Amino acid sequence: NAGVTQTPKFQVLKTGQSMTLQCAQDMNHEYMSWYRQDPGMGLRLIHYSVGAGITDQGEVPNGYNVSRSTTEDFPLRLLSAAPSQTSVYFCASRGSTAIQYFGAGTRLSVL
Amino acid sequence: DQQVKQNSPSLSVQEGRISILNCDYTNSMFDYFLWYKKYPAEGPTFLISISSIKDKNEDGRFTVFLNKSAKHLSLHIVPSQPGDSAVYFCAAKTQGGSEKLVFGKGTKLTVNP
Repeated sequence: NAGVTQTPKFQVLKTGQSMTLQCAQDMNHEYMSWYRQDPGMGLRLIHYSVGAGITDQGEVPNGYNVSRSTTEDFPLRLLSAAPSQTSVYFCASRGSTAIQYFGAGTRLSVL
Repeated sequence: DQQVKQNSPSLSVQEGRISILNCDYTNSMFDYFLWYKKYPAEGPTFLISISSIKDKNEDGRFTVFLNKSAKHLSLHIVPSQPGDSAVYFCAAKTQGGSEKLVFGKGTKLTVNP
């Protein structure tokens, strides 16, 4: 019963490097989202998807790209990492209710 | 402009007593509210929710109260246990606002034995 799985758990990047944060869910949920959590800021929505092939921007989308080619996967791409993207990233999914289920997070540091 | 506010960054309570966590919101279009609990190095986990058509929802030791006229909700934990020590986030969504959960900044609850 894996739920929402995020990889990697930790990552250190240099400014300008690119990387992809992986997110997979095995609950057949249509809706998936990416959030970032910064100290004192709560969780802020980056991008979300209401189904395969459909994505949209959240509150803080700049510097991030997403795609949704399958129901299960929703990767988050950083094309050119910046120190301001140092954060903890959470992926979430939900089914037919409003309750979102979160992964364990990816802690990213950009030097 | 913060639409969901948790004005107490931290709260300390004795084991066995009641914990009351508060949340205020400004958007009158919010129609569903959720509380999440988060332990260090883990993702948030859903705790309890309430629809705007209700004023109370109860689940075991956890009760959420909603006062729509005051745009205020609260989470009551009775009795509090040391394992309840965590950060609690209040979140809200608008009707038809599919993925846009708006979170408060969280309140760190410490339950002392």
